[in-house]
Amino acid sequence: DAMVIQNPRYQVTQFGKPVTLSCSQTLNHNVMYWYQQKSSQAPKLLFHYYDKDFNNEADTPDNFQSRRPNTSFCFLDIRSPGLGDAAMYLCATSTPSRSGSYEQYFGPGTRLTVT
Amino acid sequence: DAKTTQPNSMESNEEEPVHLPCNHSTISGTDYIHWYRQLPSQGPEYVIHGLTSNVNNRMASLAIAEDRKSSTLILHRATLRDAAVYYCILRQYSGAGSYQLTFGKGTKLSVIP
Repeated sequence: DAMVIQNPRYQVTQFGKPVTLSCSQTLNHNVMYWYQQKSSQAPKLLFHYYDKDFNNEADTPDNFQSRRPNTSFCFLDIRSPGLGDAAMYLCATSTPSRSGSYEQYFGPGTRLTVT
Repeated sequence: DAKTTQPNSMESNEEEPVHLPCNHSTISGTDYIHWYRQLPSQGPEYVIHGLTSNVNNRMASLAIAEDRKSSTLILHRATLRDAAVYYCILRQYSGAGSYQLTFGKGTKLSVIP
């Protein structure tokens, strides 16, 4: 089945130690998104790629970076994680559809713990 | 950002219909109304979307008010598997051929056996 895969599902990192979360997709979608979801809150968009074009949300901290080496993979790098960065990180993809829905397909998320 | 307003929580008995309301009084003419749901410990899942007309799919129905300032997601027979947070979202064009979803707080639906 075509899908959005996130690895690992659970990640523990130390305060200030760089960490990379990965997302891959078999849907061949040209748009990939990263969201942050803190406990009991709604997902918040960090940035997205349309093909290789990177689009950063205005309030996304500089501590968060992203890379998309090819259509299938996208990475979220947190350069110096703080305790406040502990959250679920969600990857999503989308592409134009005949229905015009541009629906987003989400992965299961990576839960990041910062110790 | 276009905003939506939903009740924080709702309850339904199993196998009964559920009507989840959403107000979006600042909707613009090009905003699509999207609904997603998020089951516990999972990523959000697309449910349905519409622009002006009522819509049906295998998961749910979407009823859109004539003035488009409100909509209702209808689950025809709630099951325990429908217990989730339901998000009503106005999909907005974010440039470069991509669209943005701005999630609100959503409605937490509990289904009672």
